[in-house]
Amino acid sequence: AQSVAQPEDQVNVAEGNPLTVKCTYSVSGNPYLFWYVQYPNRGLQFLLKYITGDNLVKGSYGFEAEFNKSQTSFHLKKPSALVSDSALYFCAVRAYSGAGSYQLTFGKGTKLSVRP
Amino acid sequence: EPEVTQTPSHQVTQMGQEVILRCVPISNHLYFYWYRQILGQKVEFLVSFYNNEISEKSEIFDDQFSVERPDGSNFTLKIRSTKLEDSAMYFCASSAGSDRTDTQYFGPGTRLTVL
Repeated sequence: AQSVAQPEDQVNVAEGNPLTVKCTYSVSGNPYLFWYVQYPNRGLQFLLKYITGDNLVKGSYGFEAEFNKSQTSFHLKKPSALVSDSALYFCAVRAYSGAGSYQLTFGKGTKLSVRP
Repeated sequence: EPEVTQTPSHQVTQMGQEVILRCVPISNHLYFYWYRQILGQKVEFLVSFYNNEISEKSEIFDDQFSVERPDGSNFTLKIRSTKLEDSAMYFCASSAGSDRTDTQYFGPGTRLTVL
């Protein structure tokens, strides 16, 4: 079975500093990895995804993520954090099951707090 | 930008009552999903739906749950007899295709509170 781990419940960073939100995964077969963000009272918004190719994926709002197959990681990064980036971030994985697996498996989420 | 919408935003019900949660997927999408998130826990898959049929469902999606696309735009989740443990945020999602690489777009969620 596939699984996702987000080892940090919360990440605190100062505005203007780089941020990293960690994600590791476990799948059999090729992983398809996604990051979503959830602002208060809002739904899950898609940020970016890794399918194949370049290990550095660029997404919305200046976010990027680095896929590392050997470390089974897909960490979310941003060079310069904004206070408005404060939100809950979810990593998710889909993997080929052979029987047609449509669902996403989510991590428990990491709360990002950016202080002015 | 097109988005998934859900109504109501918050539903309070008594244990044993039936509830229907409504979703309007993105208009050209063909695949629809329901997920739920119990407070403080992970987002969990419930069911996927395509061509008026359930494609896949999780262990959570038992006989108390059903889904329907009653018309060309709405996609509903019905819980026949709610239990306290059904209290959660329910998210609807849609995607254009069913490939593993297709992005699922989520609605804002319906918070269901069962008393």
